[in-house]
Amino acid sequence: NAGVTQTPKFRVLKTGQSMTLLCAQDMNHEYMYWYRQDPGMGLRLIHYSVGEGTTAKGEVPDGYNVSRLKKQNFLLGLESAAPSQTSVYFCASSYSILTGGSEQYFGPGTRLTVT
Amino acid sequence: DQQVKQNSPSLSVQEGRISILNCDYTNSMFDYFLWYKKYPAEGPTFLISISSIKDKNEDGRFTVFLNKSAKHLSLHIVPSQPGDSAVYFCAASDASGTYKYIFGTGTRLKVLA
Repeated sequence: NAGVTQTPKFRVLKTGQSMTLLCAQDMNHEYMYWYRQDPGMGLRLIHYSVGEGTTAKGEVPDGYNVSRLKKQNFLLGLESAAPSQTSVYFCASSYSILTGGSEQYFGPGTRLTVT
Repeated sequence: DQQVKQNSPSLSVQEGRISILNCDYTNSMFDYFLWYKKYPAEGPTFLISISSIKDKNEDGRFTVFLNKSAKHLSLHIVPSQPGDSAVYFCAASDASGTYKYIFGTGTRLKVLA
């Protein structure tokens, strides 16, 4: 049982390049989330999904897109990276309100640097 | 506008003593609160939670207190251990059913041996 995994762990991009961060969970959770963590800012929600095929915007969605084609995977895309997107990205998952449980399980993070 | 605030960026406590981490919120619709612990280069891990219908929840050395009138919650760790040294985040959610949480900026706890 791996929990929540994130790929890659580190990445350096040049401004304007694109990339996709992959999140996978093996706990059969309905909900999945993408956060970014910046110094002094805590964790801010980028996008989230309440089920396969559904996505919604969080607090800071601009410049990012997401897809949830399979229940266990949640992809975060940067179409044209900017230095302001330099951050540590965390994926999380949780059960839905209908099945009980509310805490989120986090992945180990992806450290992204945009030069 | 920061809806969840952790005004102490850092805290140092002697081993064996009590650690008290504080969190304030502004949104009266928040009804569920959680504390997470984060070690460097790892993702946050869930520690303890409390519903707005309670004012206290205890789990071993960890106790969370909620004061709804003051919109304040605190995490007590007794006794503090060196392994508790980490960054602690509080998070709050309303009853929207999507489990979206607003996180505070974190407090770095250092437990001195």
